[in-house]
Amino acid sequence: EVQLVESGGGLVKPGGSLRLSCAASGFTFSDAWMSWVRQAPGKGLEWVGRIKSKTDGGTIDYVAPVKGRFIISRDDSKTTLFLQMNSLKIEDTAVYYCTTEVTPGYNWFDPWGQGTLVTVSS
Amino acid sequence: DIQMTQSPSSVSASVGDRVTITCRASQYISNWLAWYQQKPGKAPNLLIYAASSLQSGVPSRFSGSGSGTDFTLTISSLQPEDFATYYCQQANTFPLTFGGGTKMEIK
Repeated sequence: EVQLVESGGGLVKPGGSLRLSCAASGFTFSDAWMSWVRQAPGKGLEWVGRIKSKTDGGTIDYVAPVKGRFIISRDDSKTTLFLQMNSLKIEDTAVYYCTTEVTPGYNWFDPWGQGTLVTVSS
Repeated sequence: DIQMTQSPSSVSASVGDRVTITCRASQYISNWLAWYQQKPGKAPNLLIYAASSLQSGVPSRFSGSGSGTDFTLTISSLQPEDFATYYCQQANTFPLTFGGGTKMEIK
């Protein structure tokens, strides 16, 4: 069974940092293109960024509001995806989901993890 | 960025109703469109990809159509478990963007 399990969320002050993890199982993680998507409380979905597989170049793309502050990485030996979040702002408060593309390069997502809540507040 | 506009933002319907949700892209995206269902407190679930292809395991009462800039999601006969929020997502251009959502409520 394909499974994605996020962890690492919590309460952090503005300007602080947090590292999220997403443990993957049930599929060949090293071949997967992985994304982070977030959802602010009561709001819609926002794609945060994506990392390709190493064999496909490992390219990373980000949405503009997080560029330069967030870093996506992966450890294929541990089948884990990471999101390093720095210089956090109040507007980064959201549930963060990790997800994978059904077919690499086709940019639609299934399955998704259960999400981890990040709250940025003083 | 490509803006995705869904309408209506909410719809009130009864079990057994046929319901259609519309999604419009601000630029041409061919058939690079997906639809998701999200229930409260849960992650989104992929229903439709490539505008009209049904994801494995999704009931056949869900269907999608459209190409270019205008797309629709239709539920042919609403079931109690279908009351949820639905999102479209363009998969053509980065950054990937989602519509604002359509909340399906029980009449």
